[in-house]
Amino acid sequence: ETGVTQTPRHLVMGMTNKKSLKCEQHLGHNAMYWYKQSAKKPLELMFVYNFKEQTENNSVPSRFSPECPNSSHLFLHLHTLQPEDSALYLCASSQVRLAGGSYNEQFFGPGTRLTVL
Amino acid sequence: DQQVKQNSPSLSVQEGRISILNCDYTNSMFDYFLWYKKYPAEGPTFLISISSIKDKNEDGRFTVFLNKSAKHLSLHIVPSQPGDSAVYFCAASGNYGQNFVFGPGTRLSVLP
Repeated sequence: ETGVTQTPRHLVMGMTNKKSLKCEQHLGHNAMYWYKQSAKKPLELMFVYNFKEQTENNSVPSRFSPECPNSSHLFLHLHTLQPEDSALYLCASSQVRLAGGSYNEQFFGPGTRLTVL
Repeated sequence: DQQVKQNSPSLSVQEGRISILNCDYTNSMFDYFLWYKKYPAEGPTFLISISSIKDKNEDGRFTVFLNKSAKHLSLHIVPSQPGDSAVYFCAASGNYGQNFVFGPGTRLSVLP
């Protein structure tokens, strides 16, 4: 596997289900991200993890729970979602340079298309 | 209110000609900008970046121009090829940070 992979690619779930999205990066990066893209809306940053530590939570509802067990893996645990949470969920990674500024080109996975019934 | 705007939802260009995609931003703290290309059923692919210390950056057929006073950047593709047909997003961040704000995208169609 190369780049950033995401599983599953498609997910349909009911509002009472619990499911998890998985992301794995094979680029040796030290930062990972979750984004949401709803229909006809721009990509929205949800969470940022640097060196496995969450550094950004853009006012995301608690029914979305991220987990980053190591710098290569990122999960998004979902529970009691609403139909308006149906969207494309994208994972990305980047290499954060701590000295001399950080030029953070982010590399994206293919996304998980989530439908909440 | 959108901080990053791409006012043209779509653009059609003849193969071999120049494609110009535009992006405007409102936050004067933005100092680092990226362009991405996205094909259907794939994630966005990084194309080119520019920091606020420059006004131009080139990579092959792709050139990005930054006009800080106008808070405007543009992506030029020369010559355009049918494989360039995709949705193009610009993204901006402040303090060279990781919190990128994305525009809504422009769908480019390059006609043979």
